[in-house]
Order: sequence, then C-alpha cells, then structure tokens
Amino acid sequence: EVQLVESGGELVQSGRSLRLSCAASGFTFGDYGMHWVRQAPGKGLEWVSGISWNGDTVIYADSVKGRFTISRDNAENSLHLQMNSLRPEDTALYYCGRRMKNTVAIDIWGQGTMVTVSS
Amino acid sequence: ESVLTQSPGTLSLSPGERATLSCRASQSVSSTYLAWYQQKPGQAPRLLIYAASSRATGIPDRFSGSGSGTDFTLTISRLEPEDFAVYYCQHYGSSPPWTFGQGTKVEIK
Repeated sequence: EVQLVESGGELVQSGRSLRLSCAASGFTFGDYGMHWVRQAPGKGLEWVSGISWNGDTVIYADSVKGRFTISRDNAENSLHLQMNSLRPEDTALYYCGRRMKNTVAIDIWGQGTMVTVSS
Repeated sequence: ESVLTQSPGTLSLSPGERATLSCRASQSVSSTYLAWYQQKPGQAPRLLIYAASSRATGIPDRFSGSGSGTDFTLTISRLEPEDFAVYYCQHYGSSPPWTFGQGTKVEIK
C-alpha cells in the first residue's frame, strides 16, 4: 500500500525550532518529487515547500523562506522539514505529499502532523 | 504574484444536481499545471483532476475538469451524498511556484 506518515508535530513556543518527518512506503521514494502543504485551523491549503527526486532542487513559499529547510533521505525513504524561528502564524496541520509524475499535482497525501506555536 | 480565485465560496445544492465550480487565475497558466482536489472534514485532500481535465486514478466519471488560460471549471454532473466537501484548485507557476485557491464548499441544500 502506498503510504505517507508524518510525525514530529507538537506544541512549541514562538521562536523555537521543530523538525517534521514523513515516512514513505509502498513506492520507490527516490523516483518522486515531494512537497509539504499546511492548513491552519479552519482555513484553506497553503503550499510550503517542495524538493526534487534527488534533492538538487528545493523551493519555498515566501512565508517560510529563510526559516524552513526541506530535505530528503532516499536511502531511508524519508522527507523532512526543519522549521526554525517559528511564529504563531505557522500553526497548522502539515501534510507531506508525493508529486505525481509528468504533471504538477500531489497524488498521495499523508494524514498530517499538527504544529502549534504559542506566543 | 499569481493568485487563484475560486467561486462561489459556498454552493448549496441537492443530491442529484449538477455542480459547477470556478477557478480563475490572475495570470494565464498552462492547463498542464492546473489540478483540483477534494477535502472532507478531518481528512487529507484527495486529487481529483490533473492537467485541467484528466481524472486521477479511481475518480468517478461524474467529475470533469475543463478550461484554459485564466478560467477553469470543475463540474460534478450529479451530486452523490459523498461529494459534499470542500474543493480546491491548484496550479504551478513562477511566483509562487505552487498556489492553491481559497476553496469552494459544496453543501447540502
């Protein structure tokens, strides 16, 4: 079964750091680009960051650029998001997602991990 | 900056009716890079349509996508009870690279 499982979300104070992880299974992880998308409580989807299949290309939303770092370990089938200088507005459910081949869409989503940043 | 605007914000319809959801881009986008997702409460989003009009694996044919340039549409031909949800469009561009619309909620009338 193709699956993504996020972990690492918790309650943290503003200004602190947190590292999210996403464990992939059921497919050849190293063949796919991966992304993080977040959703604040009661709000819509916001794209956060993406990484190419080999990690050579990374992209970020302006709202997290310079504070968040996306990375991947293809040997471990894992995706990570290092989040520094967290702000209350980063409070959200963070999803990892697999970019579908040959197009620009996310075809597999995890169930999300909740990050809460207190002021 | 590229912005996607979805309308209406809420669509109130009955089962069996046709739903037409709009997604308008502030700049012309390639239809290759336009997707639609469905999200139900407490669940992750699910890909419905990619490349503006191609259905994702396992998506019923009552869902269809169309459009080009700046105007795109998701149509649900006959609403089933399980189709009441929030729908998002998404595209890939230059700045920002990935953008989601604000969503359209399809609710039971």
